[in-house]
Amino acid sequence: KNQVEQSPQSLIILEGKNCTLQCNYTVSPFSNLRWYKQDTGRGPVSLTIMTFSENTKSNGRYTATLDADTKQSSLHITASQLSDSASYICVVSGQAGTALIFGKGTTLSVSS
Amino acid sequence: GAVVSQHPSWVICKSGTSVKIECRSLDFQATTMFWYRQFPKQSLMLMATSNEGSKATYEQGVEKDKFLINHASLTLSTLTVTSAHPEDSSFYICSAMGLAGGLVETQYFGPGTRLLVL
Repeated sequence: KNQVEQSPQSLIILEGKNCTLQCNYTVSPFSNLRWYKQDTGRGPVSLTIMTFSENTKSNGRYTATLDADTKQSSLHITASQLSDSASYICVVSGQAGTALIFGKGTTLSVSS
Repeated sequence: GAVVSQHPSWVICKSGTSVKIECRSLDFQATTMFWYRQFPKQSLMLMATSNEGSKATYEQGVEKDKFLINHASLTLSTLTVTSAHPEDSSFYICSAMGLAGGLVETQYFGPGTRLLVL
């Protein structure tokens, strides 16, 4: 069964600290993996997208890694800011034209 | 970057009325659009896939007569919640599939529509 599991479910960190979110998937065949940021009451916004040949991709303070062999991905946030408080969703795509498989997300709260 | 808009952003309606939500890709053409529903603290749940010029494909358990989808053009898809009931209250999000200048076809999400049925 195609699944995407994220951990932790929720996370609280102090402003300025770094954090890493995890994503494990069992989707096969694999096309690409995306990380989205979803603010409360808003639609998801794409942070990174990686194909199977890419190991790491950065977008500002966000760095995503992908290990297609172990089917694991991580999203590292550096020097967190209050505005980083949101839900971070890992989404995996199988073959072209197939539905996206969504993780349940990690809720990040950054406090001052 | 690619922009997808939704209208309205929120709507409150009486039970039994119908509500139409629009999804537009503003700067790219999308042959495929998707409609999702999201309950509080839950992941997005795909309701249906909308293809321009053809009938939508609904996910298992989603009533096609309840949630009418029309994909009239390459930039517009509409979702109509017919005879809405309180249990239809949710956050509805659309996405549009496109390259939008990138190399990988990506789903670009709209900002969502909050529906509250009284």
